[in-house]
Amino acid sequence: DIQMTQSPSSLSASVGDRVTITCRASQSISSYLTWYQQKPGKAPKLLIYEASSLQSGVPSRFSGSGSGTDFTLTISSLQPEDFATYYCQQSYSTPRTFGQGTKVEIK
Amino acid sequence: EVQLVESGGGLVQPGGSLRLSCTASGFTFSNYYISWVRQAPGKGLEWVGNIKQDGSEKYYVDSLKGRFTISRDNAKNSLYLQMNSLRVEDTAVYYCARDFRARVADYWGQGTLVTVSS
Repeated sequence: DIQMTQSPSSLSASVGDRVTITCRASQSISSYLTWYQQKPGKAPKLLIYEASSLQSGVPSRFSGSGSGTDFTLTISSLQPEDFATYYCQQSYSTPRTFGQGTKVEIK
Repeated sequence: EVQLVESGGGLVQPGGSLRLSCTASGFTFSNYYISWVRQAPGKGLEWVGNIKQDGSEKYYVDSLKGRFTISRDNAKNSLYLQMNSLRVEDTAVYYCARDFRARVADYWGQGTLVTVSS
């Protein structure tokens, strides 16, 4: 199985900050990398698919980049509604493994 | 509006069985792979498996093969997860999700909680 490793596991940031979360795959997954946002008690929400394609309706402050084994999710200017946990997932092969999550907290 | 609604969760004893359902609306159900994803309390997401549009192919995480079975009834716009020989560690919220391009979960249900405990 492909292992997905996110870093950091958590971070504290202020409104307006630029935030970067990284995700590393244990082998090349081309661009088959998805990012989700999850708030407490809610289902995950799709943000970015195929590494850099923004899902319809998602604010443009979210962006994704990378290919192969190293990927990045960037929030250009953190908003109050962005405090949540973020997960990456590879869809290159089954099982479609997730990273362990990155919790973004208010500083 | 795309909607997925899970049901069938509850309390079950270790070794027991449970069948979850996921009812879809707002899209052509038979055109999409559908996935199950679970989340243990306070933990991260775990992909359980998915099923092809016509049910002819199913994929599972290795650790659940043989105990969990995914099926679907396109006439009823419904997906199922049959869970047997349940263990305490299967306690989780179970989500169904529509698979965009067969690879990306673009719409999710609200989840149903399964608690395995004596």
